[in-house]
Amino acid sequence: KQEVTQIPAALSVPEGENLVLNCSFTDSAIYNLQWFRQDPGKGLTSLLLIQSSQREQTSGRLNASLDKSSGRSTLYIAASQPGDSATYLCAALTQGGSEKLVFGKGTKLTVNP
Amino acid sequence: SAVISQKPSRDICQRGTSLTIQCQVDSQVTMMFWYRQQPGQSLTLIATANQGSEATYESGFVIDKFPISRPNLTFSTLTVSNMSPEDSSIYLCSVPQGALAFFGQGTRLTVV
Repeated sequence: KQEVTQIPAALSVPEGENLVLNCSFTDSAIYNLQWFRQDPGKGLTSLLLIQSSQREQTSGRLNASLDKSSGRSTLYIAASQPGDSATYLCAALTQGGSEKLVFGKGTKLTVNP
Repeated sequence: SAVISQKPSRDICQRGTSLTIQCQVDSQVTMMFWYRQQPGQSLTLIATANQGSEATYESGFVIDKFPISRPNLTFSTLTVSNMSPEDSSIYLCSVPQGALAFFGQGTRLTVV
């Protein structure tokens, strides 16, 4: 059974700092790994998707990496801004039987002005 | 990208009552998913709603508690029945488009 863990649960940084959010998964048989942002009352917004054959994806100040062999993904945020404050979730689309997204509990990020 | 409208955005309900949550998508989709996010927990898949067939429920979720309708390819409802305080959660619908997953804004349910 796939389990996804995110560390840390919460993170507070000053504006401008670069930061890394961590995601680990127990079953490497995944199709892809997706990072989301969750804002209160606004549901989830997809940030980056990494296919199982890829190593990383970049979008603006965001860079996500994937290491299937170690069961890890990271989300790197450069030059953080107060508007980046949100909860960041990673989810693995798992192979075998019914395909479904398995989510971590998220990292709540606060960027202080 | 799919645009998903979910209603209501929040509600406070009495225990023992039922609430129906609606999810409208701006395009036709084969599968729609319903998730629950309990306080401090990750999103958990409740069921997959397929048009023209019964919903498929995940372990721990049953149709009597969470009946789902899927009358057409753009709409679905999830009912939370005979509610108790333990049902207080955020409920989200989701649709896949290619490899990406898109979500509604969620329904924050509080049962008192």
